[in-house]
Formats: sequence, structure tokens, C-alpha cells
Amino acid sequence: EDQVTQSPEALRLQEGESSSLNCSYTVSGLRGLFWYRQDPGKGPEFLFTLYSAGEEKEKERLKATLTKKESFLHITAPKPEDSATYLCAVRGPTSGTYKYIFGTGTRLKVLA
Amino acid sequence: DVKVTQSSRYLVKRTGEKVFLECVQDMDHENMFWYRQDPGLGLRLIYFSYDVKMKEKGDIPEGYSVSREKKERFSLILESASTNQTSMYLCASSSRRSSYEQYFGPGTRLTVT
Repeated sequence: EDQVTQSPEALRLQEGESSSLNCSYTVSGLRGLFWYRQDPGKGPEFLFTLYSAGEEKEKERLKATLTKKESFLHITAPKPEDSATYLCAVRGPTSGTYKYIFGTGTRLKVLA
Repeated sequence: DVKVTQSSRYLVKRTGEKVFLECVQDMDHENMFWYRQDPGLGLRLIYFSYDVKMKEKGDIPEGYSVSREKKERFSLILESASTNQTSMYLCASSSRRSSYEQYFGPGTRLTVT
């Protein structure tokens, strides 16, 4: 069964304190791993798509990386405005062309 | 810029009422989705549609139905609302042309009393 697990559930950082969020997945034949940011009371906002092990994508203070079993979202020198829940999702052949398996997210709080 | 809009941000309904949630996207995406999001359970797929008039059940379709008469519009219907359908409802769209990245609407917080 396809599965996505995110850790930690919650993370508190001081402003400027870099860290990483983890997304572990079990999917046979990954067809895409997606990262989203979700602010309270709002819909998720698309950040990155990764397809193959070794791939990396960057956007401002965020960098996503992918291995065969997990993805990391690295946050460099975070600011309070980076506080949000970060969601990871995967697509795979057993979940179907149109379905995505989501993790439950990591709630990030960055303190000034 | 992809835009997905939902008809209401907040909705309060009584048990037994029929509830309509509407979603519109302006990027000509062929795929549209309805999810509900509950604390600790993440996003769960209710229904999705990969073409006009086509629909498929997701993981939790019981108590819901959908309608897609036009490509840009996907409606979620709660036939007889119950308190356990109190949740955040999220609509999303995607396209093969944009590598199946999902774009979400702002969500509808539905409370059933």
C-alpha cells in the first residue's frame, strides 16, 4: 500500500536557525513527489515537484531533495513568515493516474 | 496564474439539509478534485473528475455526490448533511500539461449543527 509519513509533526525554530523536514514514502514507481505550504485556514499552495532520486529544487529559503525512499525540505535561515504547515504528497501507479497520497504535514513555527 | 475559487469560505448548515459546494478553475485543467481535511487525518479524497461528466470515487465518497457539467466547474453535494461532515473542504485542479501539479482553492469551512 502506498504510504507517506512526515516528520516531525511540529517544529519550532528560532529565526535564522536552519533545519530540515522529512517526507518518507513507499510507492512503487514514483510518478512525482509534491511539496505544498499551507497557511492556517487556507488551501495548500504548490511549492515543488520532484521526480527522480538526486533531483533538487530551490525557491528562496527552501530547497527540496529526493532519494529513493524520502524527500527533505531544507529551510535555510528561516523567517517568521515561513511559519506554516508543509505537506508532502506522492503519485504512483498503484494509487492511479489521478490520485495523490498526502502526508499529515509538519507544522513549522519560526520565532522572531 | 492558476486560480481556483470556491463558492463560500464559511458555511453553517443544519443536519439533514442539502448542501452545495462549488469550485471553479480558470486554467482549462482537465482534472478536478474534492478533498476534506481534518486535524490529524490529513487530506482525504472524496471524489475526482478527469473530464466533463466523468467522475470517480475517492477514498471517502459515502454521503457525497458530485457534478461536472462544464470543464471549469466541479460541484460537491452533501445530500443530507450530518454533523460528522463538519470539516474543511478543499477543491483542487491539475493537468497533464503542467505535470499534474495540484492547485487548490481557498477552502470552505463547513459546520453542520
